[in-house]
Amino acid sequence: DVKVTQSSRYLVKRTGEKVFLECVQDMDHENMFWYRQDPGLGLRLIYFSYDVKMKEKGDIPEGYSVSREKKERFSLILESASTNQTSMYLCASSLAEYSNEKLFFGSGTQLSVL
Amino acid sequence: AQSVAQPEDQVNVAEGNPLTVKCTYSVSGNPYLFWYVQYPNRGLQFLLKYITGDNLVKGSYGFEAEFNKSQTSFHLKKPSALVSDSALYFCAVRDNTGRRALTFGSGTRLQVQP
Repeated sequence: DVKVTQSSRYLVKRTGEKVFLECVQDMDHENMFWYRQDPGLGLRLIYFSYDVKMKEKGDIPEGYSVSREKKERFSLILESASTNQTSMYLCASSLAEYSNEKLFFGSGTQLSVL
Repeated sequence: AQSVAQPEDQVNVAEGNPLTVKCTYSVSGNPYLFWYVQYPNRGLQFLLKYITGDNLVKGSYGFEAEFNKSQTSFHLKKPSALVSDSALYFCAVRDNTGRRALTFGSGTRLQVQP
C-alpha cells in the first residue's frame, strides 16, 4: 500500500514563527500536493509539485512556500505563521499518468497558531 | 477556472434507504470527476472516478455515481445505506487541459441513522 507520512499529527506554534510541515511518500509518485481543510470550505489547494524542484501555486499560496529537493519529500513552509493559518493540513501524492488522479492522502497535521 | 459545488452541508438517511449526495461542477474543458470519503479520524480515501465512457461509474463500498453532462452534475448514490457509511464526502474535478491538480468541493456530511 502507498504510504504518505506527515511528520506531525498536532502542532502548536506562535504567531510569527517559521513553521515547517514535512511530507514523505514511499511509492515513487511524481505528483505531490498540499491542501488545507477548513470546516465549510472543504479542501483548498496551496501548492503542488509534479517533479523534483518544480512547484506550482494553487488557489491560496499567500503566506506559504514549498520545497521539493527529493522526489519522495514535499515540505510546506509557513514563513511567518499567523492565526488565520490555523487549520488541518493535508499532503497527498499521485502518479504522473495524466488521467489518473487517484490521490493518496496523509493523515493530516492539525496546526494551531496562537 | 474549475469549481465544484456541494449544495448540502449534511444529508440524513435511515439505514437501508437509498442515499444521494449531490455535486455540480464547472470546467472549461472535459471534466475528470472524483469522489473521496473521509471517515472519522482517518485520512481521505478515493471512492470512484469518471474519466470517459459509461455515465454510471461504480466504486468502492457499493457506491456509484452518475455523470450528467447537460446538468453538469456528478451525484453520488448508494441503493441501501449502512450506518458505517456515515462520513464526510468530497466531490472533486479537474478539466483535461488545465492544471494537474484537483479542485474539491466544500464537503457533505452523511449521517446514516440505525
